[in-house]
Amino acid sequence: SAVISQKPSRDICQRGTSLTIQCQVDSQVTMMFWYRQQPGQSLTLIATANQGSEATYESGFVIDKFPISRPNLTFSTLTVSNMSPEDSSIYLCSVAGSGSASGADEQYFGPGTRLTVT
Amino acid sequence: GQNIDQPTEMTATEGAIVQINCTYQTSGFNGLFWYQQHAGEAPTFLSYNVLDGLEEKGRFSSFLSRSKGYSYLLLKELQMKDSASYLCAVKDSNYQLIWGAGTKLIIKP
Repeated sequence: SAVISQKPSRDICQRGTSLTIQCQVDSQVTMMFWYRQQPGQSLTLIATANQGSEATYESGFVIDKFPISRPNLTFSTLTVSNMSPEDSSIYLCSVAGSGSASGADEQYFGPGTRLTVT
Repeated sequence: GQNIDQPTEMTATEGAIVQINCTYQTSGFNGLFWYQQHAGEAPTFLSYNVLDGLEEKGRFSSFLSRSKGYSYLLLKELQMKDSASYLCAVKDSNYQLIWGAGTKLIIKP
């Protein structure tokens, strides 16, 4: 399985500011995803980060609010722009397509970034 | 619409067996996944089913019935460290993962 790191692990930000979250993988992966998880709830997919092209956003998420970069097969960033308290959540990077032994192409998750907006 | 249903919370006793059910209605099916998530941590992959039947992996087993849109995760010889949320997820016809809300499992001594 891939080893995934995220920076920062947590942050407290002021309303109206922006935060960029970094995701680094120790091997090349085909697919990278960004999720949000509110406390006590399940995962919500924000977007799929595509290498060399614009990210694919899910319904309810737009590029202006959550710009994503993916310059290569091991790195991606998610920016949460013009933050409000409703953006307080855990943001998780996830990868798939690293040749899993199970054949399931399961997703692996980074440790998450806990964001609090005041 | 696409839907995955799991019980919100379950309680079991250390050393016992517990079965967590998951029913799904999705546009197509390309596999079902179970993940474990401890509080404050990221989800970790537990199991994958794409064909009907039981997949056993140590103390954990996962069952799938595609005709019934049903799966369960069976945990045997429960340990305190098994206290966590268990997430069911289905890959649909577009190979998109649809996530359930998760089942919080509480283990009592």
